[in-house]
Amino acid sequence: DIQMTQSPSTLSASVGARVTITCRASQNINPWLAWYQQKPGKAPKLLIYKTSTLESGVPSRFSGSGSGTEFTLTISSLQPDDLATYYCQQYHAHWTFGQGTKLEIK
Amino acid sequence: QVQLVESGGGVVQPGKSLRLSCAASGFIFNDYGMHWVRQAPGKGLEWVAVVWYDGNNKYYADSVRGRFTISRDNSKNTMSLQMTSLRAEDTAVYYCAKDIADCTTGSCYAHLDYWGQGIQVTVSS
Repeated sequence: DIQMTQSPSTLSASVGARVTITCRASQNINPWLAWYQQKPGKAPKLLIYKTSTLESGVPSRFSGSGSGTEFTLTISSLQPDDLATYYCQQYHAHWTFGQGTKLEIK
Repeated sequence: QVQLVESGGGVVQPGKSLRLSCAASGFIFNDYGMHWVRQAPGKGLEWVAVVWYDGNNKYYADSVRGRFTISRDNSKNTMSLQMTSLRAEDTAVYYCAKDIADCTTGSCYAHLDYWGQGIQVTVSS
């Protein structure tokens, strides 16, 4: 099974800051990596798929990059509405989520 | 618009069974694979099971294989998860989710693009 490891587990940043979350896979999953945003008490929402393709309607401040086993989600200018937990997910071989990164606004 | 609505959750004793359903609308149901994903209290997301668009292929997480059965009825636009021999560690919010496949490489790889609102399952005596 493919294991996904996200870092950091918790992140605190100020409005307007650039934020980066990293996701590492236990083997090459390129490019089958998605990112989801989950706000408190809500269902997850797809942000990015195939490493860097922005889902329709998602603000352009979100971007994804990476290859092989290392991937990143970047928020270019953090907004108060971005308070959430973010999960990566590989779909190269079945489906596995990272453990999540809780993003807090300073 | 795509809608996925879960039902059938509740409180059940350990060792008992429960059946979850997911009613889908707003898309051509029999064109897409469907998944169950769960989230234990205060924990992250755990993929549980998938059923392919035609119902002919099903895959399960190791944690539920042999106890849970996923199925779908394309004539009714519904998907189900039959859960047996339930354990305390199965306590979670269960989400149904639709996938969308990319087959441009010759093989198909599917991510989850729409999710239901989730339903609580509590296993407790």
